[in-house]
Amino acid sequence: AQSVAQPEDQVNVAEGNPLTVKCTYSVSGNPYLFWYVQYPNRGLQFLLKYITGDNLVKGSYGFEAEFNKSQTSFHLKKPSALVSDSALYFCAVRDDRSSNTGKLIFGQGTTLQVKP
Amino acid sequence: EADIYQTPRYLVIGTGKKITLECSQTMGHDKMYWYQQDPGMELHLIHYSYGVNSTEKGDLSSESTVSRIRTEHFPLTLESARPSHTSQYLCASSAPVGNTIYFGEGSWLTVV
Repeated sequence: AQSVAQPEDQVNVAEGNPLTVKCTYSVSGNPYLFWYVQYPNRGLQFLLKYITGDNLVKGSYGFEAEFNKSQTSFHLKKPSALVSDSALYFCAVRDDRSSNTGKLIFGQGTTLQVKP
Repeated sequence: EADIYQTPRYLVIGTGKKITLECSQTMGHDKMYWYQQDPGMELHLIHYSYGVNSTEKGDLSSESTVSRIRTEHFPLTLESARPSHTSQYLCASSAPVGNTIYFGEGSWLTVV
C-alpha cells in the first residue's frame, strides 16, 4: 500500500535561513512525488514534482526537493526562507502502477513558520 | 496550470438541508477528484472520476454523491446535511500528461 509521512507537524526557521521540510514515502512501484503549499482558506498550489530523471527537482518560488531512493525520502528545501513562505506544506505520492487512476496519497501536512 | 472553479466558497446551512457544491474546470481534463479536509489537517479522497459517466468512491467513506455528465463539471451533493459534514471540500483535476493534480480554492461548508 502507498503511504507518505511528514514527521514534523511544524517547522520554525528565521527569515534568511535555509529551510527543510521532511517527507518519506512507501510505494510498491516507482514513485511519483509531489509537493503542494496551502495558504489559509485557500486550495492547494502545486510546487514541484519528481517523476524520473535528475534527483534534484526545482520548483516554484525558489523551492527545490531532492529525491533519495535509498532513504525513500523527498525533502523540500529552500536556501533562504521568506516570511511569506509561512504556510502549510503537503507531500504527496502515487506509484507508477496506479498512474491511470491519478489518485494521490497525501501526508498529514507540515506547518512552516518563518519569523522575521 | 488548470483553471478550476468552486462555488460557493463559503456556505452555512441548517441540518437536514440538501446542498450541492459546484466544481468546473476549463482545461478539458478527464480526471477529476473531490478531497475532504478539516482545517489544517490532511486531505482525504472521497470521490473521483475518470471521465464522463464515470464516478468512483474514494478512500474515505462519504455520505455525499457526485455526478459527471459533462467533462468540465463535477458537482458534489449532500442530500441531508449534518454537523459532521462540516469541513472544507477541495475539487481537483489532472491532465493526461504530466500527472499533476491541480486544485480549486475549496468550499468551506458549515452545518449548524
